Amino acid sequence: DVKVTQSSRYLVKRTGEKVFLECVQDMDHENMFWYRQDPGLGLRLIYFSYDVKMKEKGDIPEGYSVSREKKERFSLILESASTNQTSMYLCASSLPWTGNGYTFGSGTRLTVV
Amino acid sequence: SQQGEEDPQALSIQEGENATMNCSYKTSINNLQWYRQNSGRGLVHLILIRSNEREKHSGRLRVTLDTSKKSSSLLITASRAADTASYFCATAVTYNQGGKLIFGQGTELSVKP
Repeated sequence: DVKVTQSSRYLVKRTGEKVFLECVQDMDHENMFWYRQDPGLGLRLIYFSYDVKMKEKGDIPEGYSVSREKKERFSLILESASTNQTSMYLCASSLPWTGNGYTFGSGTRLTVV
Repeated sequence: SQQGEEDPQALSIQEGENATMNCSYKTSINNLQWYRQNSGRGLVHLILIRSNEREKHSGRLRVTLDTSKKSSSLLITASRAADTASYFCATAVTYNQGGKLIFGQGTELSVKP
């Protein structure tokens, strides 16, 4: 069964910590995405990547960075975690064309205290 | 920026009834997709409709698209308690490599036994 795996379901971090969220897909997909989901705001795109070592800013990249050293792995980095980054983080992957839909991971619920 | 707006935000029905959710968007699109999210989990792709299609069916799902009104609807027939979830529409402006989906804020569906 093809899938997108996010390393943690729940995570609690302290303000100011550097936080790494990992996402791995086994479908050989070119595209990978990081979204955050907040009540009333829906899904907002943070960063995406079309290929290894390539990245593009989404709608809300401030406070985040990403790394894609291998095709199957896309990491989201919170350089210095803040309480307003408490959220559900969703990783997704897809083939290059939008007509194939996205495959999502189960999400990481991050709490910054 | 949120392309899709969904209506209603929440819907509560009895098992066996039909559920209709609507999505409106602002710009021309290549395709529109619907996703389902069970509580606290990732999104699952349900169905895709292309801009040159007006209606599509998949099992108990029926999707319509009216490009002149920039709107789509998702109908779930003969609903079951297991259909309880949030439903999101997502629009793709282009089909080409580099295209990405923009998600609406979702409709929360509750199906009571």
